[in-house]
Amino acid sequence: DIQMTQSPSSLSASVGDRVTITCRASQGISNYLAWFQQKPGKAPKSLIYAASSLQSGVPSKFSGSGSGTDFTLTISSLQPEDFATYYCQQYNSYPLTFGPGTKVDIK
Amino acid sequence: EVQLVESGGVVVQPGGSLRLSCAASGFTFDDYAMHWVRQAPGKGLEWVSLISWDGGSTYYADSVKGRFTISRDNSKNSLYLQMNSLRAEDTALYYCAKGGAAAGISGPWGQGTLVTVSS
Repeated sequence: DIQMTQSPSSLSASVGDRVTITCRASQGISNYLAWFQQKPGKAPKSLIYAASSLQSGVPSKFSGSGSGTDFTLTISSLQPEDFATYYCQQYNSYPLTFGPGTKVDIK
Repeated sequence: EVQLVESGGVVVQPGGSLRLSCAASGFTFDDYAMHWVRQAPGKGLEWVSLISWDGGSTYYADSVKGRFTISRDNSKNSLYLQMNSLRAEDTALYYCAKGGAAAGISGPWGQGTLVTVSS
């Protein structure tokens, strides 16, 4: 199985900050990488697929990059509604696997 | 509006069985693969299973293989998860989600249905 790791596990940031979250796969997954946002008590929301493509309706302040084993999610200017937990997921091979999540909270 | 609504979650004893349902609306259901993903209380997301658009291909997490069966009825725009030999570690909020390109999840996700395995 492909193991996914994320760093940091949590971070504190201020409104307006640029935030970057890293996701690493234990073996190459090409660009079969997705990012999800989850707010407390809510269902996850799909943000990015194919490592860098935004899902419909997702604001352009979110961006993704990477290929192979190393990926990043960047939020260009953090807003109050962005405080949440972010998960990466590989869908290159079965079983599909999620990273452990990165919690972004208010400094 | 695309909508997914899960149901069927209850408290069940270890070793018991349960079938979850997911009712889909607002999109052409039989054009898309569908996923089940679960989240144990206070924990992260765990992918459970995927079924192709026509039900011809199914995939499972190692933790549920041989115990859970995913299925769909395209005439009813519905997705199912038959859960047998339930264990305490299967306690979680179970989400269904619409598939995307390749084996990905495009969303949206349902609101989830809670399964509690306890004696």
